[in-house]
Amino acid sequence: EDKVVQSPLSLVVHEGDTVTLNCSYEVTNFRSLLWYKQEKKAPTFLFMLTSSGIEKKSGRLSSILDKKELFSILNITATQTGDSAVYLCAATSLGNEKLTFGTGTRLTIIP
Amino acid sequence: DTAVSQTPKYLVTQMGNDKSIKCEQNLGHDTMYWYKQDSKKFLKIMFSYNNKELIINETVPNRFSPKSPDKAHLNLHINSLELGDSAVYFCASSQFSNSPLHFGNGTRLTVT
Repeated sequence: EDKVVQSPLSLVVHEGDTVTLNCSYEVTNFRSLLWYKQEKKAPTFLFMLTSSGIEKKSGRLSSILDKKELFSILNITATQTGDSAVYLCAATSLGNEKLTFGTGTRLTIIP
Repeated sequence: DTAVSQTPKYLVTQMGNDKSIKCEQNLGHDTMYWYKQDSKKFLKIMFSYNNKELIINETVPNRFSPKSPDKAHLNLHINSLELGDSAVYFCASSQFSNSPLHFGNGTRLTVT
């Protein structure tokens, strides 16, 4: 059965700190890994990664995939209180429509 | 101009009742999904439809029946509601099978 594991489960840091969120996966015929941010309502899309070693960046957020070691990290630099959310990682496989989600990392930024 | 809209936002009902949740997307996407999120924020797929055809039906009790009248709509009907059905149900859509999902704001179902 496909599995996605995220760590840590929760993280509390001070504003301005840098955080690294981890995601490991075991997915048959892996195709892509996605990161989502969920505040109060709908998860919103952050990144989709399909190739190893190529960093994707959006402002203070960046993410990279390692297909050999089967993991991805999401980095957030100079954190702000608006970064407080649950960050979800999900993996897809070839020929399959579904995303397999991890349990998420709850990030809390203290002012 | 909500891209994926679900109704209702909240649903409180008693065990044994039958209820429906509606979902509509105006993105022109071909694929729509229902996901269930439990109290620990774990999101799990229930169903996927591509252009009105059922593609994925995970191990979901047959009390749950999706219906897609057209590719912009995917409704979820639940019969004989149970306490364990309490969760947030998210509708989502994607342009292609490997495209990022666009989620609705969720329907919080509470069964008492």
